[in-house]
Amino acid sequence: EPEVTQTPSHQVTQMGQEVILRCVPISNHLYFYWYRQILGQKVEFLVSFYNNEISEKSEIFDDQFSVERPDGSNFTLKIRSTKLEDSAMYFCASSEGGVWTDTQYFGPGTRLTVL
Amino acid sequence: SQQGEEDPQALSIQEGENATMNCSYKTSINNLQWYRQNSGRGLVHLILIRSNEREKHSGRLRVTLDTSKKSSSLLITASRAADTASYFCATVNTGGFKTIFGAGTRLFVKA
Repeated sequence: EPEVTQTPSHQVTQMGQEVILRCVPISNHLYFYWYRQILGQKVEFLVSFYNNEISEKSEIFDDQFSVERPDGSNFTLKIRSTKLEDSAMYFCASSEGGVWTDTQYFGPGTRLTVL
Repeated sequence: SQQGEEDPQALSIQEGENATMNCSYKTSINNLQWYRQNSGRGLVHLILIRSNEREKHSGRLRVTLDTSKKSSSLLITASRAADTASYFCATVNTGGFKTIFGAGTRLFVKA
């Protein structure tokens, strides 16, 4: 069964460094998402992406964040200058149609630790 | 409270018992979804129920949706130790691309 994959599974970085989290969505899916979950807290929506542009973003997704689909398979989340509070699990998800109609499938997550 | 609030926050039951979790939300929704998350792992989609549906079943899972009360419930029948996990409801607002998750219910099923 096709699944969403994410790399790396764990990323440790120093405050102020840039990180890129990578995701490979399910191949026939057209909608892509990033979420984060700070330890012990709820899953928070960051951004949705469709047709090579951001369709919606949350207030968390400020200028430090960017997303890209550099080729036909990868979907990346970049954090330009990490802060301690960026430490969290980051989940990528994809869906064939929009979330108002279709199920979204989540990857296993990347645990980001900012020191 | 925020969109998609579950109760109880934690639930401990014996294997074989039924577990019921509730979710309330505030705004008009397009659909509501339930997810399971094992400790520190990814989210597994369980059921999606659309705003024009009232009940849905999948195996031992039964989800109801009452849009007049802006609430949903997830029933797990004949629970197993392997059902131990956190369960989240999530809503998609009408016309939106955004999924809003609740804080979750931590279910512990004792063998």
